[in-house]
Amino acid sequence: DAGITQSPRYKITETGRQVTLMCHQTWSHSYMFWYRQDLGHGLRLIYYSAAADITDKGEVPDGYVVSRSKTENFPLTLESATRSQTSVYFCASSESAGNYEQYFGPGTRLTVT
Amino acid sequence: AQTVTQSQPEMSVQEAETVTLSCTYDTSENNYYLFWYKQPPSRQMILVIRQEAYKQQNATENRFSVNFQKAAKSFSLKISDSQLGDTAMYFCAFMSGFGANSKLTFGKGITLSVRP
Repeated sequence: DAGITQSPRYKITETGRQVTLMCHQTWSHSYMFWYRQDLGHGLRLIYYSAAADITDKGEVPDGYVVSRSKTENFPLTLESATRSQTSVYFCASSESAGNYEQYFGPGTRLTVT
Repeated sequence: AQTVTQSQPEMSVQEAETVTLSCTYDTSENNYYLFWYKQPPSRQMILVIRQEAYKQQNATENRFSVNFQKAAKSFSLKISDSQLGDTAMYFCAFMSGFGANSKLTFGKGITLSVRP
């Protein structure tokens, strides 16, 4: 199916485990983003990527790692999950820089116990 | 750094009536973009409307319109003829217009309930 997808949709993990959230888009958009959504904070940018092999930190990057070896994929890894990383994670993509709409995936609800 | 403030956490409106959601922002830039996103219970983020700062005319999309006051750094969303399907969380967002900076800064959101 065309669009932007995230997997898994729901994940429960334990403190200290490594977790990878997947994001895949079929539009060949240059830009991809990872946000986390927490009550009282809205959405906050974790990392973004302007193209394959180009990534940069957002507002809350600590504890997260990203890679972008292919244009269509932008995985987000929590190297050692903590309870404070319990959140809903959204991936987004946009065609280019500037005033281009960001298209959001359906989100992944992650619970760290 | 840019900030976006949505000071009302919740609002309620009767079906078919009009409601206005407030948003203020802070920036030193002159060229930027503003957005309203809708997040229904399905959690999907949906773009409702966008406004370019260099345009004086307020953006409209069917029942949705904005009141953009650049000097006051205010960007409110007006929903006319409210429908039950408008029940959602609404986020105001800011994007810098400079170079390759496509990052969105979001407000905390407002929960809108439309009463039948």
